[in-house]
Amino acid sequence: EVQLVETGGGLVQPGRSLKLSCVASGFTFNNYWMSWTRQAPGKGLEWVASITNSGGSTYYPDSVKGRFTISRDNAQNTLYLQMNSLRSEDTATYYCTRANWDYFDYWGQGVMVTVSS
Amino acid sequence: EIVLTQSPTTMAASPGEKVTITCRASSSVSYMHWYQQKPGASPKPWIYDTSKLASGVPNRFSGSGSGTSYSLTISSMETEDTATYYCQQWSSNSNTFGAGTKLELK
Repeated sequence: EVQLVETGGGLVQPGRSLKLSCVASGFTFNNYWMSWTRQAPGKGLEWVASITNSGGSTYYPDSVKGRFTISRDNAQNTLYLQMNSLRSEDTATYYCTRANWDYFDYWGQGVMVTVSS
Repeated sequence: EIVLTQSPTTMAASPGEKVTITCRASSSVSYMHWYQQKPGASPKPWIYDTSKLASGVPNRFSGSGSGTSYSLTISSMETEDTATYYCQQWSSNSNTFGAGTKLELK
C-alpha cells in the first residue's frame, strides 16, 4: 500500500524558515517524480514544487521560486521542502504527492503550516 | 503559465440529474486530470489522461475534451458525489489547477 506521511508543520513567524518532510512507503521511491502541493484555508489547490526521480532537476512556480527548495533522499525514501522567508500567504496545508507521468496519483494526509506573528 | 478556468464555481444537482463541469485552458494542453476533494480530506485522483477513471471511481463519471476545452460529466447524480472537483494540467514542467467546482445536492 502506498503511503505518504508528512511531518514538520507548525506555527512560524513571517520571515523565518521551516522544513517539511515526507516519508514514502509501498512503492519504489526512486522510480517516481515527487511534488508538493498546498491549499490555503478555504481555498483551492496550488502546485508548489516538483523534483525528478533522481533529484537532478527541480521545478517551481514563480510564487515560491527562490524561497522554497525541494529535495529528496532516495536512500531514506524521503522528500523534503525547505521553506525560507515565509510569508502570511504561505499559510496552507501542504500535501506530499507522487507524480505518475503528469498527474498526482497519491496524496499524503497533509501538514498545516501557519505563518503568523 | 497555463490558466485553467472552471465553470460553474458552485452548482447544486438533484439525485439522478446529469451534471457537467467544464475546464477551459488558456492554451492547448495534451491531457486534463480531475480530482475530487471532500471537506477535511486530501484530494483524490478521479479522472486522469482526460478520460480514464481512477481506481474505484464509479462509471457514472466520465471525462472528455481536447485542446483548450475539457469536461467532467456525471450521468446521474448521487448523494456521495457532493464534493469539490478540481482540474489540473502539467505542461512544460509546470502544473496548474483550476479554482474548483463545488457540487452540492439539491
